[in-house]
Amino acid sequence: AQTVTQSQPEMSVQEAETVTLSCTYDTSENNYYLFWYKQPPSRQMILVIRQEAYKQQNATENRFSVNFQKAAKSFSLKISDSQLGDTAMYFCAFGTALYNFNKFYFGSGTKLNVKP
Amino acid sequence: EAGVTQFPSHSVIEKGQTVTLRCDPISGHDNLYWYRRVMGKEIKFLLHFVKESKQDESGMPNNRFLAERTGGTYSTLKVQPAELEDSGVYFCASSQGLGGKTTTGANVLTFGAGSRLTVL
Repeated sequence: AQTVTQSQPEMSVQEAETVTLSCTYDTSENNYYLFWYKQPPSRQMILVIRQEAYKQQNATENRFSVNFQKAAKSFSLKISDSQLGDTAMYFCAFGTALYNFNKFYFGSGTKLNVKP
Repeated sequence: EAGVTQFPSHSVIEKGQTVTLRCDPISGHDNLYWYRRVMGKEIKFLLHFVKESKQDESGMPNNRFLAERTGGTYSTLKVQPAELEDSGVYFCASSQGLGGKTTTGANVLTFGAGSRLTVL
């Protein structure tokens, strides 16, 4: 089964602090990509960061970085120096070569509130 | 460039009625996807178009749902007749890479803001 589990429905963090969102997934495929998407309130979902499963080096995008543990099937997102604009729903997802990377599996999301 | 546009942003209908959701992908994107998120649950894949052809419709819940993409441009998702369990947010996404990958790696999906459907 292809599943994604985000065990934290909601989290809060103070502005300028660091927060980590957890994500575990399950797939029997070896060729896949992992993604974090964010959806600000009433706005479109946008890609935050992606990681190719074959790459051991953790992806980083400015204040966003991931901790990819392939054996544990864990893909957590760390947000450093949190900003008010980071307030959003965050979705973890993956797509596999089995479906030519055209069918993505998402988690149920983590609602992040950044407090001033 | 314009993003993925969806409308209506919110639709409230009675059980048994019909609703049609529309998605305008980014111009030039051959791949168009529909996903759905039922309240509090995960976002689930519904179907995938390549141009006007349905590539994968394995996620469509039942035959009350009909998706079309006339001329390979915009797409519509019709629910007829709507049931209570159809309530949720319907997301449309588009991507450019044929075969699922671009030169920079896997498909990057560009999503719309979603259409919220409430069935009473």
